Amino acid sequence: EPEVTQTPSHQVTQMGQEVILHCVPISNHLYFYWYRQILGQKVEFLVSFYNNEISEKSEIFDDQFSVERPDGSNFTLKIRSTKLEDSAMYFCASSESPGANREAFFGQGTRLTVV
Amino acid sequence: EDQVTQSPEALRLQEGESSSLNCSYTVSGLRGLFWYRQDPGKGPEFLFTLYSAGEEKEKERLKATLTKKESFLHITAPKPEDSATYLCAVQAGGYQKVTFGIGTKLQVIP
Repeated sequence: EPEVTQTPSHQVTQMGQEVILHCVPISNHLYFYWYRQILGQKVEFLVSFYNNEISEKSEIFDDQFSVERPDGSNFTLKIRSTKLEDSAMYFCASSESPGANREAFFGQGTRLTVV
Repeated sequence: EDQVTQSPEALRLQEGESSSLNCSYTVSGLRGLFWYRQDPGKGPEFLFTLYSAGEEKEKERLKATLTKKESFLHITAPKPEDSATYLCAVQAGGYQKVTFGIGTKLQVIP
């Protein structure tokens, strides 16, 4: 069964450092998303990406964050100048369609710990 | 602002004891309501999409229903492997953003 792959599974970084989280979406999917889940809290939408550009972003997704599709298979989330409150699980997801009939497949997540 | 409230926060059932999870929502122009299952340390796993009031969908022991204000996830004769957190989420018309609830943590005891 096709799946979304995220690496690394756990990333520990010093406050103020930059991190890049990696995702390989399902190969025939065209829409990509990043979500985060702070421990014990709701899953929160960060950004959606289609046709090599951001199609929608939340108020959380400020200038500290950026996304990129550097090649035909990878989709990355960059977090600059990390803060303690950036510690969370970050999930990548992909879907064939952005509409309500989409079935978004989520990766296993990257646990980011900022120390 | 879209809001999703799930209840109860936690539910403990005996194996075979049927029950329902509730998801109340407030959204401007519902485009879709989603149910996901999340196991500890894993990403959400898609279960259902419901589009309009009155719609129902079933998958094995799970049945999801939708009204204009809430959705229910009915679990019939649950098994221990149904233990997980069940997440409800909504998407408003014209947007790709999906708003999640906090989830209901279900534990099924043998």
